[in-house]
Amino acid sequence: GENVEQHPSTLSVQEGDSAVIKCTYSDSASNYFPWYKQELGKGPQLIIDIRSNVGEKKDQRIAVTLNKTAKHFSLHITETQPEDSAVYFCAASTPKGYNKLIFGAGTRLAVHP
Amino acid sequence: EAQVTQNPRYLITVTGKKLTVTCSQNMNHEYMSWYRQDPGLGLRQIYYSMNVEVTDKGDVPEGYKVSRKEKRNFPLILESPSPNQTSLYFCASSLWTDRSGANVLTFGAGSRLTVL
Repeated sequence: GENVEQHPSTLSVQEGDSAVIKCTYSDSASNYFPWYKQELGKGPQLIIDIRSNVGEKKDQRIAVTLNKTAKHFSLHITETQPEDSAVYFCAASTPKGYNKLIFGAGTRLAVHP
Repeated sequence: EAQVTQNPRYLITVTGKKLTVTCSQNMNHEYMSWYRQDPGLGLRQIYYSMNVEVTDKGDVPEGYKVSRKEKRNFPLILESPSPNQTSLYFCASSLWTDRSGANVLTFGAGSRLTVL
């Protein structure tokens, strides 16, 4: 079945450094790739997404890149801040009539002052 | 404020005692879904609903029931809870009529369930 693998499972960086989280998907028909951020005690919240006809998208300090040939996409956070500490989930859509999202296992990012 | 509201936020129960986790959204979204979050497994879909009276199984539906009698509400029912249903549960909704492929989910704050 469809699968999304996410790495690393934990990531620790110093404030100001960059952080990169990588995901690989299995369904070549996937066409939508969102990233969600889950802060402690809260539900996941969409922070950025990319569609299959675009290779890169940026929003201030965060960016997402997509390589459809290799079936992987990545989240890049620059100039990390302590408030970036959270669990991040990648997801890929499967065109099963309603664009079901398959989520990765999550990455716990810790940004140390 | 546009939101998805789940209740209860925390619940400790015993094996076999029926329980319901409520979910309500105020965004007039057609699509609603339940997920469970377990360490190392990410978010797995339990059930989803495309609209009123239309529900279908997700990836891990065993032991759960849902209903969608009104557009805004989508309760999750555990008829006979077991310890392996101890988990963090999230309800989500979306205006999925974006047929271009995006399914932009709004999540509730989560319900942590412990079954003893």
